[in-house]
Amino acid sequence: NAGVTQTPKFQVLKTGQSMTLQCAQDMNHNSMYWYRQDPGMGLRLIYYSASEGTTDKGEVPNGYNVSRLNKREFSLRLESAAPSQTSVYFCASTKGPYNEQFFGPGTRLTVL
Amino acid sequence: GENVEQHPSTLSVQEGDSAVIKCTYSDSASNYFPWYKQELGKRPQLIIDIRSNVGEKKDQRIAVTLNKTAKHFSLHITETQPEDSAVYFCAAISGGSYIPTFGRGTSLIVHP
Repeated sequence: NAGVTQTPKFQVLKTGQSMTLQCAQDMNHNSMYWYRQDPGMGLRLIYYSASEGTTDKGEVPNGYNVSRLNKREFSLRLESAAPSQTSVYFCASTKGPYNEQFFGPGTRLTVL
Repeated sequence: GENVEQHPSTLSVQEGDSAVIKCTYSDSASNYFPWYKQELGKRPQLIIDIRSNVGEKKDQRIAVTLNKTAKHFSLHITETQPEDSAVYFCAAISGGSYIPTFGRGTSLIVHP
């Protein structure tokens, strides 16, 4: 039982490059989330998927897209990376909104 | 939308002292309040949560209290130990919403 996994762990991009962050969970959870964490800003929600087949914007969606590929997988895409997207990205999953969120190990992204 | 404020941003205590972290929220429909602990370089993990039909919950050295009238909730850690040093995040989830709103975090430092 791996819980929530993310790839890659680290990534360096140049401005304008694109990339996809991958997230998978093996807990049969319905809901999945993408957050970014910046110093002093807490965890800010980028996008979430309440259930398979649905996605919705969170607090800071600009510059990102997501895909809920199936119940297990939820990917985050940066189409044209900008230095302002330098951050640590966490994926999380939960059985439902009033249950514990399980976080992945994070992806540290630097955009030069 | 929901707004969660967390204080203090930094808390320094001596080993054995108690620590209290406070959060206020704005949406009276919020009904689930988790607390997460994030050690340096690691992922956030749930340490305790409380639902709106309960005023207090304890788990060994940690406790959470909720005052729905005043719209605030607090984390209490007694007999602090160096391994309690971490960043702590509170969150609030509104009824019917899948979106958790996190506070900005409190960096707790426990000096041996």
